[in-house]
Amino acid sequence: SQKIEQNSEALNIQEGKTATLTCNYTNYSPAYLQWYRQDPGRGPVFLLLIRENEKEKRKERLKVTFDTTLKQSLFHITASQPADSATYLCAPTGGSYIPTFGRGTSLIVHP
Amino acid sequence: NAGVTQTPKFQVLKTGQSMTLQCAQDMNHEYMSWYRQDPGMGLRLIHYSVGAGITDQGEVPNGYNVSRSTTEDFPLRLLSAAPSQTSVYFCASSYDKGGYTFGSGTRLTVV
Repeated sequence: SQKIEQNSEALNIQEGKTATLTCNYTNYSPAYLQWYRQDPGRGPVFLLLIRENEKEKRKERLKVTFDTTLKQSLFHITASQPADSATYLCAPTGGSYIPTFGRGTSLIVHP
Repeated sequence: NAGVTQTPKFQVLKTGQSMTLQCAQDMNHEYMSWYRQDPGMGLRLIHYSVGAGITDQGEVPNGYNVSRSTTEDFPLRLLSAAPSQTSVYFCASSYDKGGYTFGSGTRLTVV
């Protein structure tokens, strides 16, 4: 069955550093992969989408990579700020175009 | 634009009761889906729709029904509520396969 793995332990970093979150998937060949941010008590918010033929995508301080050979995506936040503290969800998306979500990784940015 | 509107925001049901969770979007999105989110389980897909009149089951469909008579509305019906259906329910929509917009969620407690 499809399996999506994100670090279950919270990632703690200092303000100004680069945060790197990992998403691994197995038994899956997604056409693209999405990343979302979720704050406590709120619905997820879409951040970035990267297609299988793209290696890297950038948006402001965010960068996503997608390695279909390793079945892995990395999500980077550069110059992190306390306001970036949230849970980040990866969502590989296959032929049905309905995303399947990982459990998310909590990011805590300390001032 | 209101985006994705979910009602009610909170609900307490007794075991065996039925109810409908409402979801409406005003963005003319074709793709709509329902997820439930439980602690430690992440977002799990219940049902989804790729257009008016078309619905399909997701990962955890048992105990739930959906219909899609219009592009705008995608209600989720609980047939006979059980304590195991206590969860936070999210509705989401997308115009073109990626970048879903989520509602603010319905917190359901079944006693």
